[in-house]
Amino acid sequence: DGGITQSPKYLFRKEGQNVTLSCEQNLNHDAMYWYRQDPGQGLRLIYYSQIVNDFQKGDIAEGYSVSREKKESFPLTVTSAQKNPTAFYLCASTSQTGMNTEAFFGQGTRLTVV
Amino acid sequence: DAKTTQPPSMDCAEGRAANLPCNHSTISGNEYVYWYRQIHSQGPQYIIHGLKNNETNEMASLIITEDRKSSTLILPHATLRDTAVYYCIVRVAMTGGGADGLTFGKGTHLIIQP
Repeated sequence: DGGITQSPKYLFRKEGQNVTLSCEQNLNHDAMYWYRQDPGQGLRLIYYSQIVNDFQKGDIAEGYSVSREKKESFPLTVTSAQKNPTAFYLCASTSQTGMNTEAFFGQGTRLTVV
Repeated sequence: DAKTTQPPSMDCAEGRAANLPCNHSTISGNEYVYWYRQIHSQGPQYIIHGLKNNETNEMASLIITEDRKSSTLILPHATLRDTAVYYCIVRVAMTGGGADGLTFGKGTHLIIQP
């Protein structure tokens, strides 16, 4: 079945460590997105990418980095510069061709920094 | 800035129709209205989208006003499993490449009462 997969579901890290969240899709989608969600809040855009080897900052990119070396993969690194990294992270992808451009989301990674 | 405005919460009795409003007064002519919902601690799920005509699928109906400045998502027979946060967003359904930031607001927390 086609879909978008985030791993792991739960992640614990010590303060000051970088951590990388995985996002893989087999939907042949061109665009991929990373969001952060805090309790009781909506989704805030961190980074997005419309094509391999290209990405743009979203509203809250500081303290995060991404890469897009393959169409299927869009990993997010939470660096030690991110002041408040504990949150729920969601990855999404969309097709940019045809009319079915709805976003597909992964099930999220809950990151806890202690 | 969010392009849409939604009430933060709504209640609906089980079995009744749930009508969720969304204001998008600055919508552009080429922007579609998309609806998603997010059940607690899961990734958002696509529901429906439309440009100017009313749309219906197996999950819901979407009514867009003639001036396109507002819309209503209708769940015809709400069940307890429809309790979720519902997001209304506007975006261009791009073809041929190009991606925008896909911005989400805080949505409406719909609570279905037994």
